[in-house]
Amino acid sequence: NAGVTQTPKFQVLKTGQSMTLQCAQDMNHEYMSWYRQDPGMGLRLIHYSVGAGITDQGEVPNGYNVSRSTTEDFPLRLLSAAPSQTSVYFCASSSDRVSNQPQHFGDGTRLSIL
Amino acid sequence: RKEVEQDPGPFNVPEGATVAFNCTYSNSASQSFFWYRQDCRKEPKLLMSVYSSGNEDGRFTAQLNRASQYISLLIRDSKLSDSATYLCVVKSLRLEDMRFGAGTRLTVKP
Repeated sequence: NAGVTQTPKFQVLKTGQSMTLQCAQDMNHEYMSWYRQDPGMGLRLIHYSVGAGITDQGEVPNGYNVSRSTTEDFPLRLLSAAPSQTSVYFCASSSDRVSNQPQHFGDGTRLSIL
Repeated sequence: RKEVEQDPGPFNVPEGATVAFNCTYSNSASQSFFWYRQDCRKEPKLLMSVYSSGNEDGRFTAQLNRASQYISLLIRDSKLSDSATYLCVVKSLRLEDMRFGAGTRLTVKP
């Protein structure tokens, strides 16, 4: 079972470069989200989607764009990378937005911005 | 002030010890509570939900005190494999309202 797949696992960028972090899930989950995890802080929500064609901002959306053209895919775009975006990024999906079904996380993308 | 506060640790305990982690949350509208486990450089995984009456899953016991806005996790008979970071997580109604603590690191030593 693939679950939630993130690519790449590691990436180094230069300030000002753009890139897309890929996330795909094969569980037919409607709800998908992107988090970043920084030392000493909990996971913080960047953007989320409740279904294909619908996205919304989380706690820390600035500098990031998302789209949801299919149920399976939820890419995260860094428009112009900044050192403050150095972090570990996790994509997650869930079958239900309201119930307490667990979120399934991908194994993360470690991103360094020089 | 962080919405979910945890003692960062690290907690270093010998095998077989009992260890307890605490967590406080600031949003009184929080309705659902969880402990997640995160191994080094891995993704978070749900360990257990926390219910109002308290609940147990093998060696793990979770407690909730809504009045004090406090959650705890007790691990009995610690195993080497329990070494990980434990994340306290609270949610009001929707998943986008889920808030994560920074985690408490546990190392169990032989």
